Formats: sequence, C-alpha cells, structure tokens
Amino acid sequence: AQSVTQLGSHVSVSEGALVLLRCNYSSSVPPYLFWYVQYPNQGLQLLLKYTTGATLVKGINGFEAEFKKSETSFHLTKPSAHMSDAAEYFCAVSQNFGNEKLTFGTGTRLTIIP
Amino acid sequence: DAGVTQSPTHLIKTRGQHVTLRCSPISGHKSVSWYQQVLGQGPQFIFQYYEKEERGRGNFPDRFSARQFPNYSSELNVNALLLGDSALYLCASSLVAGGNEQFFGPGTRLTVL
Repeated sequence: AQSVTQLGSHVSVSEGALVLLRCNYSSSVPPYLFWYVQYPNQGLQLLLKYTTGATLVKGINGFEAEFKKSETSFHLTKPSAHMSDAAEYFCAVSQNFGNEKLTFGTGTRLTIIP
Repeated sequence: DAGVTQSPTHLIKTRGQHVTLRCSPISGHKSVSWYQQVLGQGPQFIFQYYEKEERGRGNFPDRFSARQFPNYSSELNVNALLLGDSALYLCASSLVAGGNEQFFGPGTRLTVL
C-alpha cells in the first residue's frame, strides 16, 4: 500500500519569499513521485517528477524537489514566490513505472501575499 | 496540439439517475485514466484503460464503469447516483501504459442533488 501526506493544507508566503511545500510518502517499493499544480477550474499540470537517478529534480516555473529516501520526503521548493504561483499543489506517488495509478495527497493551497 | 478534452464541463443530476462522462485523449495517446476529486481532497484513482482493456481499478463500487473505444476515447458511467458522487471527474491520458507521465484534462464538474 502507498500513501501521501501533505503537511499544511494552507500555506501563505510573501511575494519574493521562499516557497516550501511538504510531502511525505509511504510506499512498500521504491516510489515514483510527482508534484502537480491545479489552478482554479482547471485540471492538473505536472510540475516535476522523480523516477530514478538524481535526487534533486528541477521542474517548470522555477520549482524543484528533493527526494530523500531516509526521510521518506519529497518537499517542493521555489526560491522566490511570484503572484502567479497561487494555486493548489498536489504530491502524488506511483508504485512502479508500469503503474499509472497515482495516489495523491490532500493538497496544499498556496497563497501569495503582495 | 489539443490537450485532453472532457465533456460536458458541468453536469447536474438528481439522486438515482445515471451519468456518462466523456474523454478524448491527446492524439497518439493510448492510455486513459479516470480520477474522482471531491471538493477539498486530492484526486482518487478510479480506472485505467489501455488498448481498450481495463488495466487497473481503484476502490470504487460497481456502480462505476468505463470503457475505451477504438479511437482511444473513453466513457465513464455512473449508475444510481448518490449525493456523495458530487465531484470533479478528471481524465488523464498517457502515450502508453507504463509511460507514467499523465496529462490531465480540465475535468467534468458533476453535482448530484
């Protein structure tokens, strides 16, 4: 079984400040990890993914995430927040490369303070 | 290129009715997955289809069914609607099963009264 925990359902940061969204996972096998962003009334857009290899993953819009196996974490960061980053962010895990059944966390709503 | 398209955008039904939601994958994509996103929650996996065959099923009752057509489009059917079925239904497509990078459509907002 696999699960994802996102700490903090709401996060507010000032424009230009560091963004840190937390994600911890539970998986019985080496996980494939994803971050998706959802803007109001839209579907999900893939920000970045970790499958194998380098544990620091860079994504779109200046976001990156680091896979830490010892901490079972995959936190999402961005050095400087922009107003356009305001959205809902979902962390997800998949059991293996052949399995597209994604298990999502409950999401974190990011608010940017001008 | 067109992304994943879903129809209708919004739908209102009453309890006990039946609903059919439709999804067209990105051109060339052969795998389609369906997710249910209840307000305030993350999406939950319902089905995956690849080459017209069911490849995976989430923990949903038999009232939920789906199929994939030769052109790789897909339908999600829900019978005997309950209030709890009110949600955003998302369709995602990927090039092949196991491609693991899924592209999501905008969803169909279903309201059950």
